[in-house]
Amino acid sequence: QKEVEQDPGPLSVPEGAIVSLNCTYSNSAFQYFMWYRQYSRKGPELLMYTYSSGNKEDGRFTAQVDKSSKYISLFIRDSQPSDSATYLCAMSEDDYKLSFGAGTTVTVRA
Amino acid sequence: DGGITQSPKYLFRKEGQNVTLSCEQNLNHDAMYWYRQDPGQGLRLIYYSQIVNDFQKGDIAEGYSVSREKKESFPLTVTSAQKNPTAFYLCASRRASEWGYTFGSGTRLTVV
Repeated sequence: QKEVEQDPGPLSVPEGAIVSLNCTYSNSAFQYFMWYRQYSRKGPELLMYTYSSGNKEDGRFTAQVDKSSKYISLFIRDSQPSDSATYLCAMSEDDYKLSFGAGTTVTVRA
Repeated sequence: DGGITQSPKYLFRKEGQNVTLSCEQNLNHDAMYWYRQDPGQGLRLIYYSQIVNDFQKGDIAEGYSVSREKKESFPLTVTSAQKNPTAFYLCASRRASEWGYTFGSGTRLTVV
């Protein structure tokens, strides 16, 4: 079993829809949770980060962490074609060495 | 502008050859990392370094070597012992007081 599981998709949604992305994990010691966005042939860029359980909102993006269920989510509201990318979840015990999910490829159709 | 520079962008290697991928950062970050990305597998950690002249193996270090002689530089050598080196290689760095990593744009290595 992988330490971090993420559905690779692909996920295709119409412009303006809500995009919902999820990851599950097995290591109960994880306490730092992040989402990265990666455009084709580019390096990932940090999108959102949260510490421990709870919600965090930043513009159209909301990150949720449920440590009791070992489940994290990223929601993108009012999705735009520019949101088309691969989204990677990442997590860490100490915010030092990250474990990544496989990434979910999202396409937002105009 | 501060950032991480990886070179070359594309690299072709013949069977049995060693090749070195360059990673340079001007962010004054202490820690640097090398990840390998394969389709459907996400990023897997090869090596990381927290300080100059010190580095640790990651999850898939076999067939790779690194050095950290300067804070700004963390080159990765893919040796002939790496049986399946074709992949997208990503270098990252991190400052201890900040969240997450800053990634370079990657090097795509292909064995021909």
